[in-house]
Amino acid sequence: DIQMTQSPSSLSASVGDRVTITCRASQGIRDDLGWYQQKPGKAPKRLIYGASYLQSGVPSRFSGSGSGTEFTLTISSLQPEDFATYFCLQNNTYPWTFGQGTKVEIK
Amino acid sequence: QVQLVQSGAEVKEPGASVKLSCKASGDTFTSHYIHWVRQAPGQGFEWMGRVNPSGDITAYAQKFQGRVTMTRDTSTSTVYMEVNSLTSEDTAMYYCARQGYGYYYWGQGTLVTVSS
Repeated sequence: DIQMTQSPSSLSASVGDRVTITCRASQGIRDDLGWYQQKPGKAPKRLIYGASYLQSGVPSRFSGSGSGTEFTLTISSLQPEDFATYFCLQNNTYPWTFGQGTKVEIK
Repeated sequence: QVQLVQSGAEVKEPGASVKLSCKASGDTFTSHYIHWVRQAPGQGFEWMGRVNPSGDITAYAQKFQGRVTMTRDTSTSTVYMEVNSLTSEDTAMYYCARQGYGYYYWGQGTLVTVSS
């Protein structure tokens, strides 16, 4: 199985901060990676697909980059509604596998 | 709009089975694979398997082979997943999701609690 190593597992940040979250795949997955946001008690929401394509309706402060084994989610200016857990999902090879998540908390 | 509506929460004893449902609406049900994933309390997500649009081909994670069965009723646009021989480690939120560059459409989740 492809292992997805996500870092950090948690971070504290202030409104307006730039935030970067990383996922590393144990083998190349081209650009078959998505980023998701999950709030407590809710189903996940997709932010990014194909490593860098912004999901329709998602604010442009979210961006994704990377290919192969290294991927990054960036929030350019953190907003109050962005405090949540974020995770990556590789959809290149079955079984699809997930990063362990990054909890973004208010500093 | 597309919706995936899952069945309600379940409480089961160890050794029992549970059958979850996921009903689709708002789109062509027979055009998409449906996957099941789960999230144990405080843990990350785990892919369990998928069923093809016509319901005759399934693929399961090795961990769940022989213990999980996914089926599909195209007449009611519903996908089912049965999990047998439940243990406390199966306590989790279970989600169905529609395949499409990962998952855009998710069900609301079904909490399964395994406890004696």
